Amino acid sequence: EVQLVESGGGLVQPGGSLRLSCTASGFTFSNYWMKWVRQAPGKGLEWVANIKEDGSEKYYVDSVKGRFTISRDNAKNSLSLQMDSLRVDDTAVYYCARGKYSCAYWGQGTLVTVSS
Amino acid sequence: QSALTQPPSASGSPGQSVTISCTGTSSDVGGYNYVSWFQQPPGKAPKLMIYEVSKRPSGVPDRFSGSKSGNTASLTVSGLQAEDEADYYCSSYAGNNNLVFGGGTKLTVL
Repeated sequence: EVQLVESGGGLVQPGGSLRLSCTASGFTFSNYWMKWVRQAPGKGLEWVANIKEDGSEKYYVDSVKGRFTISRDNAKNSLSLQMDSLRVDDTAVYYCARGKYSCAYWGQGTLVTVSS
Repeated sequence: QSALTQPPSASGSPGQSVTISCTGTSSDVGGYNYVSWFQQPPGKAPKLMIYEVSKRPSGVPDRFSGSKSGNTASLTVSGLQAEDEADYYCSSYAGNNNLVFGGGTKLTVL
């Protein structure tokens, strides 16, 4: 059974940093593109970042370029999102998901709240 | 990276059919056969219901079907059931390894 489990969310002040993690199981992690998708409270879904199977290619939505960094450790079946210079409008539930052109599987999400 | 356009709400009675539209541009929906649909019950994570315009993952009832014409994709739910009540989101590959989502449609089963 495919499982994705996010962790690392919490409350952070504007301008602060947070690192999210996603642990994968039930499939060969190194064979798949992975992505982060977020959902602000009461709002829709927004793609945040993608990473290729071997980590050699990374792509971001314009609003997080230069502030967020996606990475992966295939030996540990782990996906990460380093979030720096956080803003109030980054407040959202962050999901990790598997896939390049879609999101075949999702984690349960982790809530990031940016507030003073 | 503009969001795809979905109606905010849709509804139908049990047993009826309902169709939700998802309108983009030739740079996303119209340019690629990588449209997906997701079901999200309140407080839960999204679940893939349709991928590559019209393909159903294993375990998704055949009451759910997808199609595309030009820059507009559609999700049809036939034989509506109470358990189908949820938010539905479309997504499309938009080139340059970008993914764009629709704003979501709240489906109510009357």
